[in-house]
Amino acid sequence: NAGVTQTPKFRVLKTGQSMTLLCAQDMNHEYMYWYRQDPGMGLRLIHYSVGEGTTAKGEVPDGYNVSRLKKQNFLLGLESAAPSQTSVYFCASSPTEYSNQPQHFGDGTRLSIL
Amino acid sequence: RKEVEQDPGPFNVPEGATVAFNCTYSNSASQSFFWYRQDCRKEPKLLMSVYSSGNEDGRFTAQLNRASQYISLLIRDSKLSDSATYLCVVMGIIQGAQKLVFGQGTRLTINP
Repeated sequence: NAGVTQTPKFRVLKTGQSMTLLCAQDMNHEYMYWYRQDPGMGLRLIHYSVGEGTTAKGEVPDGYNVSRLKKQNFLLGLESAAPSQTSVYFCASSPTEYSNQPQHFGDGTRLSIL
Repeated sequence: RKEVEQDPGPFNVPEGATVAFNCTYSNSASQSFFWYRQDCRKEPKLLMSVYSSGNEDGRFTAQLNRASQYISLLIRDSKLSDSATYLCVVMGIIQGAQKLVFGQGTRLTINP
């Protein structure tokens, strides 16, 4: 029962470096999401995807890009990392848009930007 | 005003006590409501959905008041294992996809 898997689990970057976070789900879910969580704040939506080949902006998209080339994978990219992007990143997926099937979360990626 | 507001706590209560959390939301068009639980340094996990008629799952009772845009969670006979952060979550649909809006969470510690 892998569910939603995020890699890496931890990463430390220097300002200006780039990296990609990978989210993989084995539940054949159509919808995938990337969130960030900062101390004292709820999760905030960065980008989301309603299906393979589609992406859309969420609440806090600036400084991030995403791609959904395969249905099971949703990649989050940081082109030029900034200290403000230090956060815990969660990926989630859901089977449909229907309200009784809420999202399943991966166990997070802790990212520090120095 | 935040879309979903919760009392951040922390709540410190003795084992066996009853504890209640409240949450308010601002978007009257919100369609679904949930409580998630998040343990320290872990991912959020669905605790229960919240229905207009109120619903119970063991020691947990959730209620929704759409007129007042208010959601509550009651935990009876609290256990040490109930210590966690409880996230109030409100869902709508945007552009065909779910949009979950999270409260900042209420931190609960159950003391022996």
